[in-house]
Amino acid sequence: DARVTQTPRHKVTEMGQEVTMRCQPILGHNTVFWYRQTMMQGLELLAYFRNRAPLDDSGMPKDRFSAEMPDATLATLKIQPSEPRDSAVYFCASGPTGTDTQYFGPGTRLTVL
Amino acid sequence: EDQVTQSPEALRLQEGESSSLNCSYTVSGLRGLFWYRQDPGKGPEFLFTLYSAGEEKEKERLKATLTKKESFLHITAPKPEDSATYLCAVQALPQGAQKLVFGQGTRLTINP
Repeated sequence: DARVTQTPRHKVTEMGQEVTMRCQPILGHNTVFWYRQTMMQGLELLAYFRNRAPLDDSGMPKDRFSAEMPDATLATLKIQPSEPRDSAVYFCASGPTGTDTQYFGPGTRLTVL
Repeated sequence: EDQVTQSPEALRLQEGESSSLNCSYTVSGLRGLFWYRQDPGKGPEFLFTLYSAGEEKEKERLKATLTKKESFLHITAPKPEDSATYLCAVQALPQGAQKLVFGQGTRLTINP
């Protein structure tokens, strides 16, 4: 049963520290998405890639967030420096070519103190 | 700006009591409307995609319908295991722009 995997599942850090979240999309999926979920804002798209190329990162605070796909099996989301307002659950999703469906991972719960 | 509004925010039903969840949307051109289910501590799980007004999709006790301005998720004779947050999302044209805009969700509780 193919699934999106995310690491770590939980992360507690102090303000100012660098945070890196990793995602392994479902094998063969060519589109990868990063979302953030908070109680106030709900699920918001941060960025997405197709065939490893960034297509849209308009939802991402550019000064502190960066997203990359070093290869087809790994996507990373980095926050530097982290702030308390970044506390949220970050989801990665992937989708296969030719369909619109996105399959979500279990999320990384980030707490910035 | 594309917007999705879901109602009610929370709904509590008795087992077997059928009801509907609403998703109203504003989008420049609709590519597709999606329903997801999210259990506490987990990622959203895909349920349905609807592409055109009048379309319906069914899965077990769930049926999703679509009009030009809203979608309904009908739950027939629900069971406690149907308790979850149900999320609606829209994808706007042009085709190939895969961004999803989500609503805030409806938190459904089914009491035994």
